[in-house]
Amino acid sequence: NAGVTQTPKFRILKIGQSMTLQCTQDMNHNYMYWYRQDPGMGLKLIYYSVGAGITDKGEVPNGYNVSRSTTEDFPLRLELAAPSQTSVYFCASSYDRASQETQYFGPGTRLLVL
Amino acid sequence: LAKTTQPISMDSYEGQEVNITCSHNNIATNDYITWYQQFPSQGPRFIIQGYKTKVTNEVASLFIPADRKSSTLSLPRVSLSDTAVYYCLVGAVNTGGFKTIFGAGTRLFVKA
Repeated sequence: NAGVTQTPKFRILKIGQSMTLQCTQDMNHNYMYWYRQDPGMGLKLIYYSVGAGITDKGEVPNGYNVSRSTTEDFPLRLELAAPSQTSVYFCASSYDRASQETQYFGPGTRLLVL
Repeated sequence: LAKTTQPISMDSYEGQEVNITCSHNNIATNDYITWYQQFPSQGPRFIIQGYKTKVTNEVASLFIPADRKSSTLSLPRVSLSDTAVYYCLVGAVNTGGFKTIFGAGTRLFVKA
């Protein structure tokens, strides 16, 4: 099993550009999550999904969109990139809700918005 | 929301036991307490999870008192490679959704 994979590893965007961060898991997990981590800080939940076709907002959803058309994939979309979105983005998955099951994290995507 | 409070940083020496305490006063009845370890430029990695009393695995122990308002991660005989940030995670159920809350974490620095 590859676990949780994320692409790209690093990206530089100009203000106003858009991009999609890809996340795929091969563990047949129901729950998937997107977090952002600013330098020296903890992780903040952006969006999560409890299964295909079901998504919901986390702590910091503004400026992002997600979709979950399959169990495996959970892409994160930035429509109008802003410097405040410079961060490291982590995708994670778990079989059941994160408070009762282990989350498995991907390696992260570093995003720089200039 | 269940909020966690941990010390910002801790120093230790190789071979010592390290105990990191996390406060979570309003933990939900059904929620577990999970600890993660994060190295620079990597995603967090699961260490241990428990609901109450004591849990032990090959890398750590987790002590949870009866009121479950705090928990203590115990790392026996730390080595330099244990230098990392440690997060305790407690789920929270809110009206209209479910959120997981990662605190700022505890930066453990192990010295030779």
